[in-house]
Amino acid sequence: KAGVTQTPRYLIKTRGQQVTLSCSPISGHRSVSWYQQTPGQGLQFLFEYFSETQRNKGNFPGRFSGRQFSNSRSEMNVSTLELGDSALYLCASSLTGRGAPYSEQFFGPGTRLTVL
Amino acid sequence: AQSVTQLGSHVSVSEGALVLLRCNYSSSVPPYLFWYVQYPNQGLQLLLKYTSAATLVKGINGFEAEFKKSETSFHLTKPSAHMSDAAEYFCAVSEGYTGNQFYFGTGTSLTVIP
Repeated sequence: KAGVTQTPRYLIKTRGQQVTLSCSPISGHRSVSWYQQTPGQGLQFLFEYFSETQRNKGNFPGRFSGRQFSNSRSEMNVSTLELGDSALYLCASSLTGRGAPYSEQFFGPGTRLTVL
Repeated sequence: AQSVTQLGSHVSVSEGALVLLRCNYSSSVPPYLFWYVQYPNQGLQLLLKYTSAATLVKGINGFEAEFKKSETSFHLTKPSAHMSDAAEYFCAVSEGYTGNQFYFGTGTSLTVIP
């Protein structure tokens, strides 16, 4: 089975621009989560989507948004980029549905976003 | 609310020495616990997981972890460090039934000294 794929792998933007990152989960996985990873803050949860609905949301400003399509592929968008948005953005997919006791997350390689 | 604390942001061990990475959690419900490893410029890879079965969990690459409810701990160990173990290690707890939100610790960077 193919793993989680993220595109693009590297991105350079300037302040004020917007960016869209894409994540394709493992086939059959319906849950997609997004994380921001920075040296100072570690891994911070952005949001989780399941069956095209946002199920959980972290503590990020409204400039960060996401969506999930019917094929479970997900995109996240960051508008009005700030220097502090420079980070590795990780996507993780899992099999679980609500009511399942647990499901491990499988991570993609990440998208390295640099904001100049 | 769930949370994870990893003691020691940097740990150095000699090649062949014991590796011990500490993780403590807080959880209002029985937790599901995970250890992930991240190599430079890569995503996270699952090392092992605890899901309320055996309290001693064996993972890949010779790592294991023991769930101790009384101590709310899930420390990661490996008897003999190898150079290839140098990486960032993350402990995580999952809420499970209320969704699939994972709470990660801040990570421990492991250096292996030859």
